Amino acid sequence: QVQLVQSGAEVKKPGSSVKVSCKASGDTFNYYPISWVRQAPGQGLERMGRIIPIFDMPNYAQKFQGRVTIIADKSTSTAYMEVSSLRSEDTAIYYCARGRDICYTGNCAAAFDIWGQGTMVTVSS
Amino acid sequence: DIQMTQSPSTLSASVGDRVTITCRASQSIGNWLAWYQQKPGKAPKLLIYKASTLESGVPSRFSGSGSGTEFTLTINSLQPDDFATYYCQQYNSYSETFGQGTKVEIK
Repeated sequence: QVQLVQSGAEVKKPGSSVKVSCKASGDTFNYYPISWVRQAPGQGLERMGRIIPIFDMPNYAQKFQGRVTIIADKSTSTAYMEVSSLRSEDTAIYYCARGRDICYTGNCAAAFDIWGQGTMVTVSS
Repeated sequence: DIQMTQSPSTLSASVGDRVTITCRASQSIGNWLAWYQQKPGKAPKLLIYKASTLESGVPSRFSGSGSGTEFTLTINSLQPDDFATYYCQQYNSYSETFGQGTKVEIK
């Protein structure tokens, strides 16, 4: 059973950056999209971007272009998501999630069948 | 981006009720729609994909229907474990988007 295990909670100052990791168990990491979704306190789900590790081509939601970087380390089956220039509105739980189907092209939208446990990022001065 | 609109935002129901949640897309998405259940403090759980296909392990009281721009999630005979927030998500475009959520509360 594939699992996604995320790094621990972070507290950051406004203007700084945060990097969250998402390690996948199992040997199918390379071929499935890994997306990042965030949820502000009491709010809904917001997709940030995705990467298919074998293609190594991230895709970002327009809102996060230029401020979010998603990478994948195939050697350790770990995806990373970094947010720069943090502001209080970035306080949220950040989830990684696996796309349900193998992606054969460089960019596949997907339903998410496996989720990480979430990482709480608090931005406060 | 494709906008997803769910209704209602909150729904009060009793154990045993039949519950229906609607999700509308701002443009046609075929059947590229998923439904999730989220409980407080937990990650979302995939219930249905491709509008009507039940994810493995999900009870058969959950069902999905629709295509194009209008979709429904139905829960037959609501159980105590079903009180949660439900989200739809389109994955027709390269940029997936979620509905704003529907909270199913105990009446």
